[in-house]
This record gives sequence, C-alpha cells and structure tokens, in this order.
Amino acid sequence: QVQLVQSGAEVKKPGASVKVSCKASGYTFTGYYMHWVRQAPGQGLEWMGRINPNSGGTNYAQKFQGRVTMTRDTSISTAYMELSSLRSDDTAVYYCARARGFDYGDYVVYWGQGTLVTVSS
Amino acid sequence: DIVMTQSPDSLAVSLGERTTINCKSSQSVLFSSNNKNYLAWYQQKPGQPPKLLFYWASARESGVPDRFSGSGSGTDFTLTISSLQAEDLAVYYCQQYYSFPYTFGQGTKLEIK
Repeated sequence: QVQLVQSGAEVKKPGASVKVSCKASGYTFTGYYMHWVRQAPGQGLEWMGRINPNSGGTNYAQKFQGRVTMTRDTSISTAYMELSSLRSDDTAVYYCARARGFDYGDYVVYWGQGTLVTVSS
Repeated sequence: DIVMTQSPDSLAVSLGERTTINCKSSQSVLFSSNNKNYLAWYQQKPGQPPKLLFYWASARESGVPDRFSGSGSGTDFTLTISSLQAEDLAVYYCQQYYSFPYTFGQGTKLEIK
C-alpha cells in the first residue's frame, strides 16, 4: 500500500532554514508527482509546489519562489522540501502528497502524516 | 492566480439532513480539449491530513460513500451530502488543479446543529 512517511517536528529560529523529508513506499517513486501543501494552525490548505521525481523538474507557487527548494533522492524514494529565511508566519504543518499519476490528473490522492514546523525566537 | 471561494464558511446541520457546500472559481477550470473540470474536493478531520472525495468535479474516489456527490462545471461547483452522518463532521475544501498555483478554497466547516 502507498505510504508517505515524513520527518519529525522541527523548531527553528527566524531566518533559519528547514528541510522536511518524505519517504515513499508501496509504489514506483519516479512514476508520480509529489506535491507539498502547508496548513498554518487553525487555517486552510496552501499549495506550495510539486516535483517530478523522475526528472527532478519543479513548479513552485510564486509566493514561495526564491525561498523553497524541492528535491528528491530516487535511490531512497525520498522527496525533500526546504524552506529558507523562515518567518513566524511559516509556522505550519507541512504535508507531502502524491498525485494520481502523470497521465491521470494532477490531483492529490495520498498524503503524508504532516510535519509541524514551528518558527519562534 | 485562480481564486477559489467557498460558501458558506461554516454550516450547522442536523443528522440526516441534506447539506450543500458551494465552490466558485474566479475563472473557468474546464479544459475544453477533454471537457474535464480540473476540480477536486477534500475532507479534513481534526488532526488528520485531507482525504480526497472527488476529482474531475464529480468522479467519486474509491471508498467514498454514495451519500456524497459532486457536481458543477466551469466556475460553479457543489458538494452535496444527501443525509448527514456524524462521521461527516469535518472541514471540506475544493481545489483547482487547472493552472499553477493550484489553489484551495478557504474551507467550509460542517458542524452539528
């Protein structure tokens, strides 16, 4: 079965960077886009971007351009999302989420458990 | 960016009642070449990640009870629950995946009356 297991909670100071990992299992890692979505406490969902694990190609929301980097390591079926120049309003749960398939639509079907990133001085 | 606007923001409903949540996009998410609406619905319960309910606006994901239905086209979409059950209490989100950035509605919180 498809599983996405994310790294543990992080506490960072303003201005620092955070790198969240998402280890995939139960399917061919390179066959499906991986998206990243965040959710601030008590707030709604915000799409950050996606990565093609096969090519490494990325699409980022303009809001995060220059601060976010999505990468992958195909040898260990793991995707990463790094966010730099952290601010207090980056405090959120960050989710990795796998799409249906390259030829079947880019909506998300499977979600990781989420990683809480807290930015506080 | 395509702005997704849901209504209402919250809704108090009695068990067994019919419920409707609306989602409006600031531009059409209907792709003319395949006649598909690039619109998904998700359900999120407290402390859990979202769960996919519908894709292509009206295609029910496997395992989703048939009391849920999705409809609409172009810019106006609806999620309907025909008979509310206690386990349906959650926040519901629509999302367009027509163009980057993929945007979500602000969410609709369903509560018991």
